[in-house]
Amino acid sequence: KQEVTQIPAALSVPEGENLVLNCSFTDSAIYNLQWFRQDPGKGLTSLLLIQSSQREQTSGRLNASLDKSSGRSTLYIAASQPGDSATYLCAVFLDSNYQLIWGAGTKLIIKP
Amino acid sequence: GAGVSQSPSNKVTEKGKDVELRCDPISGHTALYWYRQSLGQGLEFLIYFQGNSAPDKSGLPSDRFSAERTGGSVSTLTIQRTQQEDSAVYLCASSLALVDQPQHFGDGTRLSIL
Repeated sequence: KQEVTQIPAALSVPEGENLVLNCSFTDSAIYNLQWFRQDPGKGLTSLLLIQSSQREQTSGRLNASLDKSSGRSTLYIAASQPGDSATYLCAVFLDSNYQLIWGAGTKLIIKP
Repeated sequence: GAGVSQSPSNKVTEKGKDVELRCDPISGHTALYWYRQSLGQGLEFLIYFQGNSAPDKSGLPSDRFSAERTGGSVSTLTIQRTQQEDSAVYLCASSLALVDQPQHFGDGTRLSIL
């Protein structure tokens, strides 16, 4: 059974720092891996989607990497800003049943 | 442009009542998904639709839950005889296709069962 784990559960850093969020999954048979952010009381916003054949994806200050064989992904946020404060979730997509399996998220607080 | 719209945004009801949650996906999105987010338990997949078809209903928590989608657009999630453990935020998402496309989420319906 696929399980997704995110570490740390919470992170608080000063504005301007670069930071890394971690995601691990137990079964390497994934179709893709996706990173989302969730603001309080809101739905989820898709940030990056990495296909299983890819190693990384970049969007602005965000860079996500994928090492499928070791079951790991990282989300790198450069030059963090208070507006980056949110909960970040990773999820793996299984094409066997078209389901996203979710991690519990990392709650990120960027202090001004 | 218009995103995924869910209604109502909040619903408070008494135990035992039926509730109906609505999701209006982004126009042209053939795939639609329902998730449940419970406090302290993370996101739980419920069901997906490809067009009007839901091939796999095994993610629904019990037979009190049902979902339908008509005209390849609006979807409703119905919970009959609600129980307190049904209290959660119900999220809907849509995407252009089942694979290779990011899912776009609505803001959810916060359901509280008294």
